[in-house]
Amino acid sequence: SQKIEQNSEALNIQEGKTATLTCNYTNYSPAYLQWYRQDPGRGPVFLLLIRENEKEKRKERLKVTFDTTLKQSLFHITASQPADSATYLCALDNQAGTALIFGKGTTLSVSS
Amino acid sequence: NAGVMQNPRHLVRRRGQEARLRCSPMKGHSHVYWYRQLPEEGLKFMVYLQKENIIDESGMPKERFSAEFPKEGPSILRIQQVVRGDSAAYFCASSPPGSPSYEQYFGPGTRLTVT
Repeated sequence: SQKIEQNSEALNIQEGKTATLTCNYTNYSPAYLQWYRQDPGRGPVFLLLIRENEKEKRKERLKVTFDTTLKQSLFHITASQPADSATYLCALDNQAGTALIFGKGTTLSVSS
Repeated sequence: NAGVMQNPRHLVRRRGQEARLRCSPMKGHSHVYWYRQLPEEGLKFMVYLQKENIIDESGMPKERFSAEFPKEGPSILRIQQVVRGDSAAYFCASSPPGSPSYEQYFGPGTRLTVT
């Protein structure tokens, strides 16, 4: 079955630095990969989707890469701000294409 | 344009009672998904529905749990004879017609506590 791992549970960085979060997956070749943000007590919010034939995607201060050979996605937040503090979830479509499989998330803390 | 709505936001049930969780998808969305999030764990898929049809219920426990998405009205996730292990946050998500697992829009969740 598909497995997703987000390499660290927590990441602490200083304001203005670039945060880099990692998502690795096994046993599957997804058609696309997504990143979500979740704040405490709230539902996840969609951030970015990247397809298997795309190497990189950007949205404002966010950048996602997708390496299907390494089975890995990197999620970058440049010029990070305290407001970026949240849990970031990586998600893949399941093989049937009927649902998303989520990683456990990485909790990012940006200190001023 | 209202987002995905879930109610109640918090629900307390005693062991053995029934829990009913409701979800209204975003306007124009025809796919509904239910996920469960246990403390310190990730979101786990439970069931995917379209209007009047269950498409994939592979993540839903075989007993005590059921889901529906009627032609009119919200989607309902029903848990019968709740046990303490059912305590969790239950999230509903919806997506527009098309590929079912494209970006999903989540509701605020229902936090179920079983005492």
